[in-house]
Amino acid sequence: AQSVSQHNHHVILSEAASLELGCNYSYGGTVNLFWYVQYPGQHLQLLLKYFSGDPLVKGIKGFEAEFIKSKFSFNLRKPSVQWSDTAEYFCAVNEETSGSRLTFGEGTQLTVNP
Amino acid sequence: EAGVAQSPRYKIIEKRQSVAFWCNPISGHATLYWYQQILGQGPKLLIQFQNNGVVDDSQLPKDRFSAERLKGVDSTLKIQPAKLEDSAVYLCASSFGSPPGETQYFGPGTRLLVL
Repeated sequence: AQSVSQHNHHVILSEAASLELGCNYSYGGTVNLFWYVQYPGQHLQLLLKYFSGDPLVKGIKGFEAEFIKSKFSFNLRKPSVQWSDTAEYFCAVNEETSGSRLTFGEGTQLTVNP
Repeated sequence: EAGVAQSPRYKIIEKRQSVAFWCNPISGHATLYWYQQILGQGPKLLIQFQNNGVVDDSQLPKDRFSAERLKGVDSTLKIQPAKLEDSAVYLCASSFGSPPGETQYFGPGTRLLVL
């Protein structure tokens, strides 16, 4: 069965530090990849997604992610985090053969200290 | 544009009681999803509807969980009887359609505590 693994469950950074959150998946076929974010007290919202084309995807608020097919990875990056980036981040994978069904990772709680 | 609406936001019940959650998707969205998110885990799909038909309910514990979307718009998820392990946030999401890669839009969730 498809599985998604996020390596870090809790990351603590200071403002202006660089961020990289890992995401790996197990499916060997064609996939679409998503990062969702949940800010404190808010609902899950889409940060960015890879559907096809350029494996480097840019999303909202300066986030980007790179799809590396050979490594089954879709890591999220931001060069300089802000206090307002404190949130929980979820990686999700959609297998092309399963319609729009998403399999989520466990999530990474990011805390940015001012 | 109004987002996905869910009610109630919080519910506390005792084990063996029943509970129901309601979801109203974004207008025009044909596909509706119910997820269960246990503390410390990512959301897990319980059931997916396309209009008023079930597309995927492979992870729905059918002995106690049921869901319906009778008119193809809003939906209800029911648990009867509830168990302690059902304590979780129940998320509803919707999307315009259900092709691969479609973006899902999530509601605020219903936080259920079973005592």
